[in-house]
Amino acid sequence: DVKVTQSSRYLVKRTGEKVFLECVQDMDHENMFWYRQDPGLGLRLIYFSYDVKMKEKGDIPEGYSVSREKKERFSLILESASTNQTSMYLCASSATTGVGGYTFGSGTRLTVV
Amino acid sequence: GNSVTQMEGPVTLSEEAFLTINCTYTATGYPSLFWYVQYPGEGLQLLLKATKADDKGSNKGFEATYRKETTSFHLEKGSVQVSDSAVYFCALSDQGGGADGLTFGKGTHLIIQP
Repeated sequence: DVKVTQSSRYLVKRTGEKVFLECVQDMDHENMFWYRQDPGLGLRLIYFSYDVKMKEKGDIPEGYSVSREKKERFSLILESASTNQTSMYLCASSATTGVGGYTFGSGTRLTVV
Repeated sequence: GNSVTQMEGPVTLSEEAFLTINCTYTATGYPSLFWYVQYPGEGLQLLLKATKADDKGSNKGFEATYRKETTSFHLEKGSVQVSDSAVYFCALSDQGGGADGLTFGKGTHLIIQP
């Protein structure tokens, strides 16, 4: 069964900490994405990557960075966590060819205190 | 830019009722359209999709038809079950593989009562 795996379901971090959220996919997909999900705001795209070492800003990149050193892994980095980054973070991947839709991970609920 | 508008809910129905969740979109060109479902505590799962006008996507008793003339992709089910309780997201991609990300609606919370 193909999947997207996010390393943590729940995380609690302190303000100012550097936070790493990891995502791994086993489908050999070219494209990977990070979204955050907040009540009343839906899903908002933070960053995406269409190839190894490539990254593009989404709609809300401020306060975040990403790393994609290998095709299967896409990391989201909060350089200095703040309370307004408390959210559910969703990773997804897709293939460039065809219209297969996206495969999502189960999400990481991050709380910054 | 692209946008998706859907009723936010919560939508509360009794078991075996007919379901419609409206979705309209704004996009350049000819987007692909999707419905995703999120069960409590989980990530999103693709429910169905349509890639061109008049296509009908269907899965698990749910259906949606790509209506270019009304820029709509309404989700329907003839008889809902308690297990259908979830949040439903309408989304679009204006590239085939969606390399630049999907645009999502804000989600519709559906509650089915026994």
